[in-house]
Amino acid sequence: AQSVTQPDIHITVSEGASLELRCNYSYGATPYLFWYVQSPGQGLQLLLKYFSGDTLVQGIKGFEAEFKRSQSSFNLRKPSVHWSDAAEYFCAVGANGYQKVTFGIGTKLQVIP
Amino acid sequence: DADVTQTPRNRITKTGKRIMLECSQTKGHDRMYWYRQDPGLGLRLIYYSFDVKDINKGEISDGYSVSRQAQAKFSLSLESAIPNQTALYFCATGSSANEKLFFGSGTQLSVL
Repeated sequence: AQSVTQPDIHITVSEGASLELRCNYSYGATPYLFWYVQSPGQGLQLLLKYFSGDTLVQGIKGFEAEFKRSQSSFNLRKPSVHWSDAAEYFCAVGANGYQKVTFGIGTKLQVIP
Repeated sequence: DADVTQTPRNRITKTGKRIMLECSQTKGHDRMYWYRQDPGLGLRLIYYSFDVKDINKGEISDGYSVSRQAQAKFSLSLESAIPNQTALYFCATGSSANEKLFFGSGTQLSVL
């Protein structure tokens, strides 16, 4: 069965600083990988996804993620964080596409002025 | 109007009571899912359905049941609620032609 590890529960960054959120996955075949964001009181919204092809994927809101098969990682990055990026971020892995998606425990991002 | 609508948004109930959470969607998706979110545990899949006649257990289905009344409706029931079912519940939809899940705004359930 697939699984996802997000080792950082909370991260605090200054506005304008760069951001990297870590994600490691476990899956026997080529994974389908996702990053979702959850703003307070809201459902989850897809930031980006990786299925195949270029290992560096671009998403919405200036986010990108890089798939590294050798490290079983799919880390999320943003070069300059905005206060509106404060939210909880979930990495997820899908079996057979997104038919059955397993989520990590989430990383809560705090942005300080 | 929201594409994925969950009702109620908030519910407080007592131990032993039966409760139903409802989800409806206007996206025309064939696949629907119920997740619960707990602090420190992320989202865990309770049940999912790929079609009206298809129901599958997720990783934490004990104590829950579901009904797919129509393609657009997927309800989650707690037959006899217990306090550790206090959580934020999300319905999500997806389709074979789409590659992402669409989430409702969630139902906060408290079992006293």
